[in-house]
Order: sequence, then C-alpha cells, then structure tokens
Amino acid sequence: EAQVTQNPRYLITVTGKKLTVTCSQNMNHEYMSWYRQDPGLGLRQIYYSMNVEVTDKGDVPEGYKVSRKEKRNFPLILESPSPNQTSLYFCASSSTGAPNEKLFFGSGTQLSVL
Amino acid sequence: QKEVEQNSGPLSVPEGAIASLNCTYSDRGSQSFFWYRQYSGKSPELIMFIYSNGDKEDGRFTAQLNKASQYVSLLIRDSQPSDSATYLCAVIPDSWGKLQFGAGTQVVVTP
Repeated sequence: EAQVTQNPRYLITVTGKKLTVTCSQNMNHEYMSWYRQDPGLGLRQIYYSMNVEVTDKGDVPEGYKVSRKEKRNFPLILESPSPNQTSLYFCASSSTGAPNEKLFFGSGTQLSVL
Repeated sequence: QKEVEQNSGPLSVPEGAIASLNCTYSDRGSQSFFWYRQYSGKSPELIMFIYSNGDKEDGRFTAQLNKASQYVSLLIRDSQPSDSATYLCAVIPDSWGKLQFGAGTQVVVTP
C-alpha cells in the first residue's frame, strides 16, 4: 500500500531533550516536506526537499533541522525542543513536487514539549 | 498579514444546500491553488486544484479562481453530513516546493 509513515504518533518530551520524528514513504517520491499545524494558524511549512541531498526552508524553519540522505526518508530533528514547538506535525510527499501533483500526507505526530 | 486568508467559520449549511468557501492570497505571483479537506484528527486530503482563471468542476465540487482579485473559492453542491470537515486553501507562491495554507474553514452540514 502506498503510504507516508510517520513515527511516533504521539510524543511527550521535556524542554531541551533532542528528538527526531521519522518520516518514510514507499512511493519513490522525489519531493518531501514537513508541516506543523496549530489552532487558528493552519498548516505551516517547516522544510521541504525537492530530491536527495537538496533541502530548503519553508515559512517556519527556526528550531528545526532536516536531512535527506536517501530518497525514502526525511526525518525532522528538534535539537533543543521548546514549549512553543508543541504542535501537530505532518510529513508529506509527492512524485516530483510539481504544482499539479497530489500531496500524500502521513497520519501526523502530536508533539507536546513540557 | 497572513499570506493565505480564510474565514474560520464554522459555516453551518443545511443538508442539500450549497456551501460556499472563500480564500484570498497576497502573493500576486502565485500560480497554483488547492483545496484540501481535513476531518477532525486526520491528515489533509486533496479535493481539487486549479491554475487558470474561471471555474473548474469535479463532481459536487467547483473551484473558482480570480487572479486579478487574488481570490479562490470552493462551492460544495448538495452538501452532505459527510462533508462536515475543515477545508484548507493552499497556494504555491512563486517558487516550486513551497506551499502555504490558510487556517481553514470549518463546515458543519446539518441534517
């Protein structure tokens, strides 16, 4: 089954403790991206990657890192999480990132930073 | 000012009626526009995309784009209770890869 898999589904952590949210897709997609969703603000793009080894900032990259060492994986790294990074995170992918392509979303990761 | 603006709602629509959702965007160079539906606790799913001025119809959904007014809308005809969800407007600004979402409009279809 074609899918984008995020792990974990829920995560509670404390301020300053490094964490990684994994994202993997099995569709051989070139394009992957990360979003956070907060009430009243909608989805905001954190980072995106047009292909392996190429990443670029979205609208809210501060406090986040990503890496794209292989096509299928695009982990989101929070080196020193803070409470304002408490949010619902979505990973998504599409074939090439072209404007007319459907974006496939993962199921989301609910992160709470205490 | 947010780049993509939507009324948050909730928009209450009787079953069988037409739901009309609006979205405005600030980047005049934007070329591609999308409507996503998101059920509570779920991930967004694409309903429609539109690139050209005018209307685009897909089943009960019609997207309308007016680039001069920087306005895109979604009409849902014959609304059903299963249409109750949050509808997200999304825009690709002038660079590929970036995607900007509005905050979403909650639609509630009442039987």
